[in-house]
Amino acid sequence: GAVVSQHPSWVICKSGTSVKIECRSLDFQATTMFWYRQFPKQSLMLMATSNEGSKATYEQGVEKDKFLINHASLTLSTLTVTSAHPEDSSFYICSASGFRGTGNEQFFGPGTRLTVL
Amino acid sequence: GENVEQHPSTLSVQEGDSAVIKCTYSDSASNYFPWYKQELGKRPQLIIDIRSNVGEKKDQRIAVTLNKTAKHFSLHITETQPEDSAVYFCAASRGGNEKLTFGTGTRLTIIP
Repeated sequence: GAVVSQHPSWVICKSGTSVKIECRSLDFQATTMFWYRQFPKQSLMLMATSNEGSKATYEQGVEKDKFLINHASLTLSTLTVTSAHPEDSSFYICSASGFRGTGNEQFFGPGTRLTVL
Repeated sequence: GENVEQHPSTLSVQEGDSAVIKCTYSDSASNYFPWYKQELGKRPQLIIDIRSNVGEKKDQRIAVTLNKTAKHFSLHITETQPEDSAVYFCAASRGGNEKLTFGTGTRLTIIP
């Protein structure tokens, strides 16, 4: 099946620092990538949608200057959490869809657990 | 935008019995409805999906039904096993590369 990887799988950082999370589609070209955030015992909440080569579309209430998304190629999207604070601690998951003949299915990465001290 | 409601939030069933989880959606343009199983700390795993041109789909012990008129769809798990214990999420989208809107999740516990 389609494989999506994320790096790092977990990260601990100090308040005020920036953290970059990578999402890669390993065996297909992802025209669209999605970034979700999941707090403990809650659902996945979409943060933004990114299409290769264009600016990301952010969901209402998500600060675009704080969560920087870059989708520079058909296999890589990055999420940078700038000036992270403890309330940004969460499980960040990306998903990808694109040219694979799989119709509507999104393929999820394994997630990145961010802890901000 | 789309709003997906999911019930119940928790569900406990005896091993071997059936479990049913229900979702409703608000966007009449939604036409793709996947169901995910998520174990603690792991990625969501697609277990079954249905498109709006069919009313029911089955894969071994798992089935999904869709009522487009009423805007609701349900997940049915028969002959439940302990390994079915997890959190299940429904979702809806307009298809293609459109975004998914997730339900609030159901924590399913199978009692041995």
